[in-house]
Amino acid sequence: EDQVTQSPEALRLQEGESSSLNCSYTVSGLRGLFWYRQDPGKGPEFLFTLYSAGEEKEKERLKATLTKKESFLHITAPKPEDSATYLCAVRLNNAGNNRKLIWGLGTSLAVNP
Amino acid sequence: NAGVTQTPKFRVLKTGQSMTLLCAQDMNHEYMYWYRQDPGMGLRLIHYSVGEGTTAKGEVPDGYNVSRLKKQNFLLGLESAAPSQTSVYFCASSYSPRLTGELFFGEGSRLTVL
Repeated sequence: EDQVTQSPEALRLQEGESSSLNCSYTVSGLRGLFWYRQDPGKGPEFLFTLYSAGEEKEKERLKATLTKKESFLHITAPKPEDSATYLCAVRLNNAGNNRKLIWGLGTSLAVNP
Repeated sequence: NAGVTQTPKFRVLKTGQSMTLLCAQDMNHEYMYWYRQDPGMGLRLIHYSVGEGTTAKGEVPDGYNVSRLKKQNFLLGLESAAPSQTSVYFCASSYSPRLTGELFFGEGSRLTVL
């Protein structure tokens, strides 16, 4: 069964305390992995796309990496404004599900000042 | 630049009532989607459209209908609301089929069915 699992469910950090969020997937053919940020009461906001193992993308304090089984979202020296839920989604390489994304449940990140 | 706009933002319905959620995007995107987000369930695709005049079923289409009469608008209808349809509904759009994982979301419509 195609599945996306994010861990931990919740993470509390002190400002400046670096950490990583995990997105592991078991799918029959990956055609892209996507990271989103969602603030309370808002819609998800796109962050990164990763297509192949070894690929990395960076944006400010965030860096996303991809292996054949999982992706990490590394947060370096986080600030309180990085507090949000981070969602991971995987697009399947399957003609019958060409537009299907499988979403993880997210990691809720809180950064204390 | 408004992006994706959803109306209404909040609505309370009684079981059996009908309503329509409106989504409008000003980015000239071809693809539009309706998702629902529930605690412990993640985002689930209800219906989607690959262009004006087209619609297709997603993962959880039962109890919903959609229409895309104009490229910029995507309507989600509930003909007879049920408590199981209490959820937060998100509309999203994307530019091309190759980038259908890069979605632009609206701010959501919170629906409660009593």
